[in-house]
Amino acid sequence: NAGVTQTPKFQVLKTGQSMTLQCAQDMNHNSMYWYRQDPGMGLRLIYYSASEGTTDKGEVPNGYNVSRLNKREFSLRLESAAPSQTSVYFCASRGGQGTPPYGYTFGSGTRLTVV
Amino acid sequence: GESVGLHLPTLSVQEGDNSIINCAYSNSASDYFIWYKQESGKGPQFIIDIRSNMDKRQGQRVTVLLNKTVKHLSLQIAATQPGDSAVYFCAEKIQGAQKLVFGQGTRLTINP
Repeated sequence: NAGVTQTPKFQVLKTGQSMTLQCAQDMNHNSMYWYRQDPGMGLRLIYYSASEGTTDKGEVPNGYNVSRLNKREFSLRLESAAPSQTSVYFCASRGGQGTPPYGYTFGSGTRLTVV
Repeated sequence: GESVGLHLPTLSVQEGDNSIINCAYSNSASDYFIWYKQESGKGPQFIIDIRSNMDKRQGQRVTVLLNKTVKHLSLQIAATQPGDSAVYFCAEKIQGAQKLVFGQGTRLTINP
């Protein structure tokens, strides 16, 4: 099925450990995004990539790094996990054409717990 | 600064009634708005969108209304069904920007 695929779906880390969240889309979309969602809050943008080869900071980039590996893949890395990074992480992509023109397609999320 | 907010964090309605979810935005330069539905354990899903040059747009059982004078957006769901239970987010795009700004979300619960 076409869409955005995130791995893993669940992860528990110890404080200080590192990990990479993977995201891939097969819709030939140009732009990709990483959001975090905390209880009772909306989606906050961590980083985004408007096109292959570019990345930009969002609202809450501290503690994260990203890599736009190719047009399909956009990974999010936590170098030294902290309990404050416990959250649900969503990857999204957006194409330049089509309907809706600025609507995102979201993955199903990665639930990360840092203990 | 830019912000998108909601008047009510929770909304409870009777099955079969109409639901109205509200959203306020602060940036007059926003030119595009979207409503998303997020069911438990899933990512947000597109419901309906509207451009700033429109006041109203209808979909299947859903209608979005935009009042630019007071910077207000609403989502109306007709004949609410149990499957409509979810958190609903509004999002805005500022003209020229590459990204969306999301509101906090409203949880809609359906009473039988």
